[in-house]
Amino acid sequence: KQEVTQIPAALSVPEGENLVLNCSFTDSAIYNLQWFRQDPGKGLTSLLLIQSSQREQTSGRLNASLDKSSGRSTLYIAASQPGDSATYLCAVRKNSGGYQKVTFGTGTKLQVIP
Amino acid sequence: DTAVSQTPKYLVTQMGNDKSIKCEQNLGHDTMYWYKQDSKKFLKIMFSYNNKELIINETVPNRFSPKSPDKAHLNLHINSLELGDSAVYFCASSPRDNTEAFFGQGTRLTVV
Repeated sequence: KQEVTQIPAALSVPEGENLVLNCSFTDSAIYNLQWFRQDPGKGLTSLLLIQSSQREQTSGRLNASLDKSSGRSTLYIAASQPGDSATYLCAVRKNSGGYQKVTFGTGTKLQVIP
Repeated sequence: DTAVSQTPKYLVTQMGNDKSIKCEQNLGHDTMYWYKQDSKKFLKIMFSYNNKELIINETVPNRFSPKSPDKAHLNLHINSLELGDSAVYFCASSPRDNTEAFFGQGTRLTVV
């Protein structure tokens, strides 16, 4: 059974700092990994998607890496801003019986202090 | 245009009632999901449908019954609601080719 863990569970940093969020998964036979952000009381916004054949993806100040063999992904946020405050979730997709199953991580709640 | 839409956004109801949450996607995706996000904010898959066929049914009480009239819709019906059913329920969809999943805005269910 796939288990996805995110460390730390919560993080508070001053504005402008670079930071790294971690995601680990127990079953490395994944098809892709996706990073989301969730704002309080709202849905999930997709940030980055990394296919299993890729090692990293970048979008603006965000960079996500994937090491499938070790079951790890990191989300790097450069020059953090108060607007980055949210809960960040990673999710891994695996083919299960010919279909797809998405398992979410436990989440990291980020607070960027002005 | 909203890609994945859920209704209602908020639902407050008494214990013992039966309620439904609707989900529609206009992305032409083959697969749709229901997730439950509990008070600890952990998202857990409940059901997954592919082309109207149930493919994943995690350990969910049989009071929860998904219904997919067509591949663009996956509704969630809950019978005999209990206090522990209070949570945010998310609908999602994805194409079959392992690209990204798209989520609805969630339905906050409160059972009183």
